[in-house]
Amino acid sequence: ILNVEQSPQSLHVQEGDSTNFTCSFPSSNFYALHWYRWETAKSPEALFVMTLNGDEKKKGRISATLNTKEGYSYLYIKGSQPEDSATYLCAPTNNAGNMLTFGGGTRLMVKP
Amino acid sequence: DGGITQSPKYLFRKEGQNVTLSCEQNLNHDAMYWYRQDPGQGLRLIYYSQIVNDFQKGDIAEGYSVSREKKESFPLTVTSAQKNPTAFYLCASRFATNSPLHFGNGTRLTVT
Repeated sequence: ILNVEQSPQSLHVQEGDSTNFTCSFPSSNFYALHWYRWETAKSPEALFVMTLNGDEKKKGRISATLNTKEGYSYLYIKGSQPEDSATYLCAPTNNAGNMLTFGGGTRLMVKP
Repeated sequence: DGGITQSPKYLFRKEGQNVTLSCEQNLNHDAMYWYRQDPGQGLRLIYYSQIVNDFQKGDIAEGYSVSREKKESFPLTVTSAQKNPTAFYLCASRFATNSPLHFGNGTRLTVT
């Protein structure tokens, strides 16, 4: 079983604040790293799939970076909005990349 | 519209009974996955299938069984051997190894 840690477990911020959270994973046999956003009463939806060390991806106010050598990825949200409130999940894959193991998630709550 | 359909949304069973959760996709995806979520925890992988007539155990396969007779369908049977079957079950699929997962809406199973 891959050991995937996400921190913090939960986060409360004010509207307009920028925030970031971390996904840590074993760096050996790394293949890809997925980020998902899971809003209450909805299905998880994909944000990014990252494969290369040093990768940076951006989608609107959300961006992510990847360090495969040390085994971590950061997710940044610039100018948080109440609609950003969700649980953010990361899932690294190793070896052939077929098995996605999710971290426990970071629950973000943005207060208006 | 293409998507993944899980049914039913809520399922109630008596202890000792086997129960089968349905997952159907019309996205022409090769790979399909079953995850389980318990309160306060992340998603844990039960089984996955990369191709028809083939599937692999995930991290918590004990007490579950699957079949993949058709590309579109990946039913999950929760057997009486599963000690704590009450949980939220999510099915997902994806096109290729570095593609993101697409999730269904989930089935909440309650066993009493």
